[in-house]
Amino acid sequence: ETGVTQSPTHLIKTRGQQVTLRCSSQSGHNTVSWYQQALGQGPQFIFQYYREEENGRGNFPPRFSGLQFPNYSSELNVNALELDDSALYLCASSPGGLAGVSGELFFGEGSRLTVL
Amino acid sequence: QKEVEQDPGPLSVPEGAIVSLNCTYSNSAFQYFMWYRQYSRKGPELLMYTYSSGNKEDGRFTAQVDKSSKYISLFIRDSQPSDSATYLCAINTGANSKLTFGKGITLSVRP
Repeated sequence: ETGVTQSPTHLIKTRGQQVTLRCSSQSGHNTVSWYQQALGQGPQFIFQYYREEENGRGNFPPRFSGLQFPNYSSELNVNALELDDSALYLCASSPGGLAGVSGELFFGEGSRLTVL
Repeated sequence: QKEVEQDPGPLSVPEGAIVSLNCTYSNSAFQYFMWYRQYSRKGPELLMYTYSSGNKEDGRFTAQVDKSSKYISLFIRDSQPSDSATYLCAINTGANSKLTFGKGITLSVRP
């Protein structure tokens, strides 16, 4: 059983550019959520996908968008990058149902984005 | 007022000490309470979760929830250097997988 994998692990972009981050969920998990973790802060919820539909969104602007694919993998896209977007982006998967609702999320190691 | 407030750190203790980590929350709609541990350069991993007031024990770890005071705690007994990490409290209403995290506290256990 493989865990949650994310790519790339590190990347550097310039302000105004666009970035796509990828996530493969843990086997058997149909729910994926994305979090942003700034340095020295706790993760902040961006959005969640369940069976390819967005199902809950945090306080992030529309330039943060996502997709979930039939195999439950997911992408996070960020357009018009700003300096404050520099952070660790975490993907988490859960099996859905009660387990997901209770907060038992399985996190990947994250993609560290630096915006210059 | 933030939804979740976590005691600031960092915290440094000698090996074998009892560690107490605390969070308060403001919204009584929160029903599920978690503690995640995050090692440097890694993603958070679930340590403990509970959905009711009272204590839950797992080995050297005890999670405590007081819903009337909106207060959650994690106790670590006989702390080990391998416990050195950032500890994050997290709460959830149960509607979806949105977790609201505290800021985290970095614990260092000195051998």
